[in-house]
Amino acid sequence: NAGVTQTPKFQVLKTGQSMTLQCAQDMNHEYMSWYRQDPGMGLRLIHYSVGAGITDQGEVPNGYNVSRSTTEDFPLRLLSAAPSQTSVYFCASSYSSPGQNGQPQHFGDGTRLSIL
Amino acid sequence: SQKIEQNSEALNIQEGKTATLTCNYTNYSPAYLQWYRQDPGRGPVFLLLIRENEKEKRKERLKVTFDTTLKQSLFHITASQPADSATYLCALSGANNLFFGTGTRLTVIP
Repeated sequence: NAGVTQTPKFQVLKTGQSMTLQCAQDMNHEYMSWYRQDPGMGLRLIHYSVGAGITDQGEVPNGYNVSRSTTEDFPLRLLSAAPSQTSVYFCASSYSSPGQNGQPQHFGDGTRLSIL
Repeated sequence: SQKIEQNSEALNIQEGKTATLTCNYTNYSPAYLQWYRQDPGRGPVFLLLIRENEKEKRKERLKVTFDTTLKQSLFHITASQPADSATYLCALSGANNLFFGTGTRLTVIP
């Protein structure tokens, strides 16, 4: 099993550009989520999904869109990149929501995004 | 939401000693508390889960305690090794998400 795969690993964008961060998992997990990690801020939840066709906002959703058309994939879209979105982005997945039996999260290795 | 504090940004200890990391939270007590390890350039990796009705959990050289009265969890690594050097994150469960602390960077000195 590959686990959680994120692409690309690195990306540099100009302000105003759009892009999609890809996340795929091969563990048949229902729950998937996106976090951003900034120095001194910890991991903050952007969006999450409890199953195909269902998404919801996390703590810091502004400027990001998600969709969940399949169980395996959960892409994160930046609509119009801003320097404040410079960060490391992590995708995670689990069998069910963390609140259900404290499901451990499986993380990808992140996408390092710089907005100039 | 939760406010979560991990005792220090960095902790240095000698090889063979016990490392103790602290996680304090301020709002509601979560049903579950988790600890993760993160190496540079990698995603977090799950280590241990402890439930609100459990006082202590062990896994090999790792031990976690959970005190809902103090709103605190302690994470211990006994007989520490240089390979234990990493950042350790605590995470508290919400209904549909986890709230993460900022982490403690542990360095084990040979």
